[in-house]
Amino acid sequence: ETGVTQSPTHLIKTRGQQVTLRCSSQSGHNTVSWYQQALGQGPQFIFQYYREEENGRGNFPPRFSGLQFPNYSSELNVNALELDDSALYLCASSLGVRALGNEQFFGPGTRLTVL
Amino acid sequence: AQKITQTQPGMFVQEKEAVTLDCTYDTSDPSYGLFWYKQPSSGEMIFLIYQGSYDQQNATEGRYSLNFQKARKSANLVISASQLGDSAMYFCAMREGPGTASKLTFGTGTRLQVTL
Repeated sequence: ETGVTQSPTHLIKTRGQQVTLRCSSQSGHNTVSWYQQALGQGPQFIFQYYREEENGRGNFPPRFSGLQFPNYSSELNVNALELDDSALYLCASSLGVRALGNEQFFGPGTRLTVL
Repeated sequence: AQKITQTQPGMFVQEKEAVTLDCTYDTSDPSYGLFWYKQPSSGEMIFLIYQGSYDQQNATEGRYSLNFQKARKSANLVISASQLGDSAMYFCAMREGPGTASKLTFGTGTRLQVTL
């Protein structure tokens, strides 16, 4: 069973650029959630995709957008990058959205630096 | 108001000793779940233990146990027999309400350092 993978591992961009981060969910999982973790902070929920539809969004501006593909892998796109977007971006996959105790399996993250 | 509060930025514990990491939470939802995750320096979040709001017993998973005090809204993690490999950041997280987006709300974390 393959775990959650993310690419790239590290990325350096400049202000105003656009970036795409990728996540492959764990085998059999149909739900992907994205989190942003700034240095010294806990992860913050960006949004979630369930069966290719957005299923909830945190307090992030529209320049953060996403996509989920038929194989349940997902992309996070960030337009017009700002310095404050520098963070570790974590992807988590799970099976379904109803059960409270559904464990979310996290990937290793993509560390984005915006200069 | 903070939904998840972890008041200990850093903790030290000697190898083989037990340690308690504090977590308090705030919710008006009667149905919620509480999670603890470990984050080593590599960055990946590793699930440790889960407690549902209606669970009668405190959750245990190997050396990890959750001291759940519902009336006090606390969900402290107890690690017994600490090992050097337990050195990491530990995050408490909450999910509110079934059926909605299963988003986790995290605290700011506690850095645990296990010493010889």
